[in-house]
Amino acid sequence: QVQLQESGPGLVKPSGTLSLTCAVSGGSISSSNWWSWVRQPPGKGLEWIGEIYHSGSTNYNPSLKSRVTISVDKSKNQFSLKLSSVTAADTAVYYCAREEVSSSPYFDYWGQGTLVTVSS
Amino acid sequence: QSALTQPASVSGSPGQSITISCTGTSSDVGGYNYVSWYQQHPGKAPKLMIYEVSNRPSGVSNRFSGSKSGNTASLTISGLQAEDEADYYCSSYTSSSTRVFGTGTKVTVL
Repeated sequence: QVQLQESGPGLVKPSGTLSLTCAVSGGSISSSNWWSWVRQPPGKGLEWIGEIYHSGSTNYNPSLKSRVTISVDKSKNQFSLKLSSVTAADTAVYYCAREEVSSSPYFDYWGQGTLVTVSS
Repeated sequence: QSALTQPASVSGSPGQSITISCTGTSSDVGGYNYVSWYQQHPGKAPKLMIYEVSNRPSGVSNRFSGSKSGNTASLTISGLQAEDEADYYCSSYTSSSTRVFGTGTKVTVL
């Protein structure tokens, strides 16, 4: 059973950089899956941030692309998110998820989510 | 990219059937059979309910079904139960190789 666990600071200052890591267990990050970040502001809907393949290929949400970097560390079986120049609007629960793409893309495993608050 | 459009809320009595719509464009919902649906209970991570428009993952009740016509996908919950009360989101692959979620629908069991 694949499990994902997000970790990182719960509080980030405005204009700073949000950094999160997603540790993958029960499966290999080098499998034929993409690995995504999704966020959800308090009381609002889901927003896809971007994804990475173990080769390092990435796709990003156009609205966040200029501020987002997603990377992968195969030796640690984890992937990471960096979001720069954050504002209060970036306050959200951040989820990491595995994307199955063998037939069609869908998110089959999710982390529990971690709340990141942007505040001074 | 714009979020897919869903009704803010849908309600029904136990045992009834309800349908949630998810409207996009020919660049996402209408262009591919790559629509998936997720259930989210308060404080919990989303759970996959439907993938590839109408396929159910193992373990998901057959009371949940999906379909698509043109640029609009739909999720139907039949035999509504109290445990179905949750938020539901659709998602689609896009022509830009990105993913987009719907605005979300709150399902209330009366």
